[in-house]
Amino acid sequence: DTEVTQTPKHLVMGMTNKKSLKCEQHMGHRAMYWYKQKAKKPPELMFVYSYEKLSINESVPSRFSPECPNSSLLNLHLHALQPEDSALYLCATSPRGAKLADTQYFGPGTRLTVL
Amino acid sequence: AQSVTQLDSQVPVFEEAPVELRCNYSSSVSVYLFWYVQYPNQGLQLLLKYLSGSTLVKGINGFEAEFNKSQTSFHLRKPSVHISDTAEYFCAVSPPSIVTGGGNKLTFGTGTQLKVEL
Repeated sequence: DTEVTQTPKHLVMGMTNKKSLKCEQHMGHRAMYWYKQKAKKPPELMFVYSYEKLSINESVPSRFSPECPNSSLLNLHLHALQPEDSALYLCATSPRGAKLADTQYFGPGTRLTVL
Repeated sequence: AQSVTQLDSQVPVFEEAPVELRCNYSSSVSVYLFWYVQYPNQGLQLLLKYLSGSTLVKGINGFEAEFNKSQTSFHLRKPSVHISDTAEYFCAVSPPSIVTGGGNKLTFGTGTQLKVEL
């Protein structure tokens, strides 16, 4: 299995809703990443987990809350989002811990729309 | 710190013609280099990567790239493009060694939209 899967594919939510994005991998990769990508822009790093511990938070607002319950799963909990948070949210993984430069493999993304 | 410049935001090309997408980087240390492709409404797919060794790197879908240290470039080429190559292409760099506090952070260029026309 060489895939990173993300669910849901699309999500529409109101500003008062609470929702979660899910990322799953079964490649035994030890680092997992959340990126945000706006239209016509490169991905921007949000969070990095290494060996299930949060190692990087790129000053992301607290309305985004990451969670890594086990080595195969990465969640992004969303609460009280703003319309400007509408974007494609990408999950990526890399084989070794995040302190080692390594190839990152991306999932297909979740298209989030905040109304 | 590293930076990546993709000189062309859009590259139109006719089908079966050759194409080169340009990428230049800036770094005070040696880097790893990557090209990713993003088809509409999809995630990023790794095309190829340069970590060390031969400076000519072959990737998927007939693409190749050449690492040129003196010119700090990593241009992507394909000898004959197909309509299905229409996509956004991102060049990215990461430092090869352990970077305290930095982690495995990719620095992306702004992307080049390749549009293949009949």
